[in-house]
Amino acid sequence: GEDVEQSLFLSVREGDSSVINCTYTDSSSTYLYWYKQEPGAGLQLLTYIFSNMDMKQDQRLTVLLNKKDKHLSLRIADTQTGDSAIYFCAERAGNNRKLIWGLGTSLAVNP
Amino acid sequence: NAGVTQTPKFRILKIGQSMTLQCTQDMNHNYMYWYRQDPGMGLKLIYYSVGAGITDKGEVPNGYNVSRSTTEDFPLRLELAAPSQTSVYFCASETSGGYNEQFFGPGTRLTVL
Repeated sequence: GEDVEQSLFLSVREGDSSVINCTYTDSSSTYLYWYKQEPGAGLQLLTYIFSNMDMKQDQRLTVLLNKKDKHLSLRIADTQTGDSAIYFCAERAGNNRKLIWGLGTSLAVNP
Repeated sequence: NAGVTQTPKFRILKIGQSMTLQCTQDMNHNYMYWYRQDPGMGLKLIYYSVGAGITDKGEVPNGYNVSRSTTEDFPLRLELAAPSQTSVYFCASETSGGYNEQFFGPGTRLTVL
């Protein structure tokens, strides 16, 4: 069945780049998303990429999509302590209203 | 806009008690969702709705019920609370068209003892 996998933890130093990786199985994915969850809060959309794109850049965020390998990554440049959060990868297949969620990657930024 | 609001923020229930988790959105979204989040387990979809009067089961519907009488409200009912329902519950609504963003409420932290 459909599945989204991501590593559970990442620790970086403030000012370094963070790269969070995600793999998915459904080749009919239309949109892929990165959501951010800060402690004690709900999830918030960080960025997304349409399946016909290879890359999307938005200020400090770069999303790379490798459709052949079904691999999605999120790069955060100049990582700050305020970026400490859980980052969820999610995919939407076709017209499916339901998202397939990864388990989330907990990013710790050390001063 | 208030976005998606959820009440209560916290609740402790005894085994066998019932309660309703409230969810309201003011963005006129047709699509709404209930998730539960357990530590290290990501999000599990409980129920969802594609519009007033229409609901459907997600991955983990057992022990829960929903209704959708209006576009704005999507309450989640627990009839006989069990310790396995201890979790954080999130309600979300979703835009239609384009990339379909989900907007989440702040969550309800429920403990069943």
